[in-house]
Amino acid sequence: GEDVEQSLFLSVREGDSSVINCTYTDSSSTYLYWYKQEPGAGLQLLTYIFSNMDMKQDQRLTVLLNKKDKHLSLRIADTQTGDSAIYFCAENQGRRALTFGSGTRLQVQP
Amino acid sequence: DARVTQTPRDKVTEMGQEVTMRCQPILGHNTVFWYRQTMMQGLELLAYFRNRAPLDDSGMPKDRFSAEMPDATLATLKIQPSEPRDSAVYFCASGLVLGQGAGELFFGEGSRLTVL
Repeated sequence: GEDVEQSLFLSVREGDSSVINCTYTDSSSTYLYWYKQEPGAGLQLLTYIFSNMDMKQDQRLTVLLNKKDKHLSLRIADTQTGDSAIYFCAENQGRRALTFGSGTRLQVQP
Repeated sequence: DARVTQTPRDKVTEMGQEVTMRCQPILGHNTVFWYRQTMMQGLELLAYFRNRAPLDDSGMPKDRFSAEMPDATLATLKIQPSEPRDSAVYFCASGLVLGQGAGELFFGEGSRLTVL
């Protein structure tokens, strides 16, 4: 979606950290989300952050939110080959449906 | 194991034919979405329903697309007549949306449509 931007591709080595970045435009977004899509499957929610938070950690996942710059990032620690997928950032604008970014394809090299 | 079920998984048809895609949302979810995914446009919202009422279908070409929820267990997306530019993967998602959050959306596996 034009309101949410992501880089298209990221390649990392197994065991390294991955950082996927996202910028959004709507400052009224209440929640921001990260979804994962594996080949041939639908999207699956990974994690989300409420707009009044700066950081959220969930096992290997760390979400950072810079509300001033409208920048969201997802860090995956100790990246594994099973993490290879497309990662979508999404925002909700009040009660409207989610707007998704174009997705970042993460490739993990063994 | 509750999940969103979509049929058909794959559909190949010729230009001008009618295509109907079906979705069974998760029982108890109050909101159903239709998204279309293509390489060029990414994920586009086509329409969504809350408590079976259409809330927004502004992303849908009205002349050929229609979306309905005849009952709480079935959502349909129809294309008539289909065109090659409609080729995409169509996803249905459902969720329990309360308050200001869009909540967690559960996606089906998608219906891959190819229009020749």
